[in-house]
Amino acid sequence: DTEVTQTPKHLVMGMTNKKSLKCEQHMGHRAMYWYKQKAKKPPELMFVYSYEKLSINESVPSRFSPECPNSSLLNLHLHALQPEDSALYLCASSRPFGGGGAVTDTQYFGPGTRLTVL
Amino acid sequence: KNEVEQSPQNLTAQEGEFITINCSYSVGISALHWLQQHPGGGIVSLFMLSSGKKKHGRLIATINIQEKHSSLHITASHPRDSAVYICAVRRRIIQGAQKLVFGQGTRLTINP
Repeated sequence: DTEVTQTPKHLVMGMTNKKSLKCEQHMGHRAMYWYKQKAKKPPELMFVYSYEKLSINESVPSRFSPECPNSSLLNLHLHALQPEDSALYLCASSRPFGGGGAVTDTQYFGPGTRLTVL
Repeated sequence: KNEVEQSPQNLTAQEGEFITINCSYSVGISALHWLQQHPGGGIVSLFMLSSGKKKHGRLIATINIQEKHSSLHITASHPRDSAVYICAVRRRIIQGAQKLVFGQGTRLTINP
């Protein structure tokens, strides 16, 4: 199983709402990533978790709050978002180096959640 | 100037043509990825290269570490190859995790 799943596929929310995006993988990967992608732009890294600990936060506003409750699951909690936060949110995972991973390892991406903030 | 530059940005070709997409980078890397993204979002990893050349079906990827350059070739192109192709370099590893820096992508359209 080389699949990363993300739910929901689409999400529409108001600026006062609180919602969560969910990402799951069962490949035993201990590195998981959140990316944001605007239309016709490449993905931008937001957060990286390694062994369930936050290892990279790319200066993301606090209205985005990541959580990694276990090695298979990654959440992104959303609160008080702005319309400019509307984008495709992608999750990815990989084997971490030092944990069975190798230089030849790749990242596996989920299908994304398309978020619209009204 | 972006750390990763791709060319061309857009490419339209006829079915059957040989396609080349180029990627140049300006920083030290541990690996380079070629990714494919179809309309609708999902990203598929095509290749991960740290040296030499890899082939998978009609796709060939090469990398020249000294020249900081990689190419993705598609032989006998087909309309289903129409997608955005993204070059991404692995910049560093923090506590076991990869950090990828992405190029702007090449939008490929193959007409029947």
